[in-house]
Amino acid sequence: LAKTTQPISMDSYEGQEVNITCSHNNIATNDYITWYQQFPSQGPRFIIQGYKTKVTNEVASLFIPADRKSSTLSLPRVSLSDTAVYYCLVGAPVVGGGNKLTFGTGTQLKVEL
Amino acid sequence: EAQVTQNPRYLITVTGKKLTVTCSQNMNHEYMSWYRQDPGLGLRQIYYSMNVEVTDKGDVPEGYKVSRKEKRNFPLILESPSPNQTSLYFCASSRGGNNEQFFGPGTRLTVL
Repeated sequence: LAKTTQPISMDSYEGQEVNITCSHNNIATNDYITWYQQFPSQGPRFIIQGYKTKVTNEVASLFIPADRKSSTLSLPRVSLSDTAVYYCLVGAPVVGGGNKLTFGTGTQLKVEL
Repeated sequence: EAQVTQNPRYLITVTGKKLTVTCSQNMNHEYMSWYRQDPGLGLRQIYYSMNVEVTDKGDVPEGYKVSRKEKRNFPLILESPSPNQTSLYFCASSRGGNNEQFFGPGTRLTVL
């Protein structure tokens, strides 16, 4: 299982771009990288998933270098409502099957005015 | 509406009194999981199920049981709860493995 390491916390201000990096040195060939957002007392919510290079959707971008040993979640122009815990998860997206998933401790992002 | 439901949302119980937390999903997902969340420890997977009658241990299975008799339901059973099982519990479902997981609203359990 690929273990992930993230910073425990980050601070930012409204309107800034925030980049959260996750380290996953022993990622397997079939593994994808997935990021979730969690607000207090709510279940995590899927943000974005990728395998290599760059993936972008309406809320975030995910950058994955060629060696895939790390990934960076980029949140453009954050607002107060982006204050949350962000989790990086690595594993194979096996439809109809699957193995144990290890979330890790996440990164607490705090956005201020 | 696609959703994962959990019941109860809040539960206070005493040591040793068996309890069950139910989880149900309406997305026809094969993969279902239970997680517990404790301050500073993130989300830890308790058990997961790849399909009906197929379950396996996650990272912290001690003191818990699960069953998967129907595809939509995945109850979490605490046969003899102890105070160290006081936690926030989440059920989740997905098509499989590290596909997008849909989480329930959580169950806050207190064991006295």
